[in-house]
Amino acid sequence: EDKVVQSPLSLVVHEGDTVTLNCSYEVTNFRSLLWYKQEKKAPTFLFMLTSSGIEKKSGRLSSILDKKELFSILNITATQTGDSAIYLCAVGRGKLIFGQGTELSVKP
Amino acid sequence: DTGVSQNPRHKITKRGQNVTFRCDPISEHNRLYWYRQTLGQGPEFLTYFQNEAQLEKSRLLSDRFSAERPKGSFSTLEIQRTEQGDSAMYLCASSLEGQGNNEKLFFGSGTQLSVL
Repeated sequence: EDKVVQSPLSLVVHEGDTVTLNCSYEVTNFRSLLWYKQEKKAPTFLFMLTSSGIEKKSGRLSSILDKKELFSILNITATQTGDSAIYLCAVGRGKLIFGQGTELSVKP
Repeated sequence: DTGVSQNPRHKITKRGQNVTFRCDPISEHNRLYWYRQTLGQGPEFLTYFQNEAQLEKSRLLSDRFSAERPKGSFSTLEIQRTEQGDSAMYLCASSLEGQGNNEKLFFGSGTQLSVL
């Protein structure tokens, strides 16, 4: 059965800290891995990764995929209170399989 | 581009009643997905459409659930004879099938269903 596992499930940090969120997966016919941020209701797209070892970067956020070891990490540097959210990892093609999410809380 | 729109935002119903949710995808998107999310979990796939054709349904989707996308634009999800276990956030997402595009889903804000 295909599955996606995220760790940690929750994390509390202070502004300015750097965090690393983990996502491991076991799926047949891997196509891509996606990261979403969910603040209130709608998950919003962050990154889509298809190739190993190529870092995707957007401001203070970056992500990389390791297809040999079947995992991805999402890094957030210099965290801000606005980064507080649930971060979701998903794999698949269209029909996505999501992990449980990591709830990040950034304290002032 | 007004994004994916879902209505209603909240629905409270009594066990045994029927409910219907609506999703309006991004206008040029040909794929539409329904997911369900409970507290502390990631979204779970329910079903998806390409244009008006329903191409896949999850085993999670019991016979009490039915989804339609009659003209390939908006979609409805109906739950008949609701049960307390149906309480969840129902998320709709859409995408544009194409090279490398069909994995990138755009989500609506969801309909929060509470079955009393």
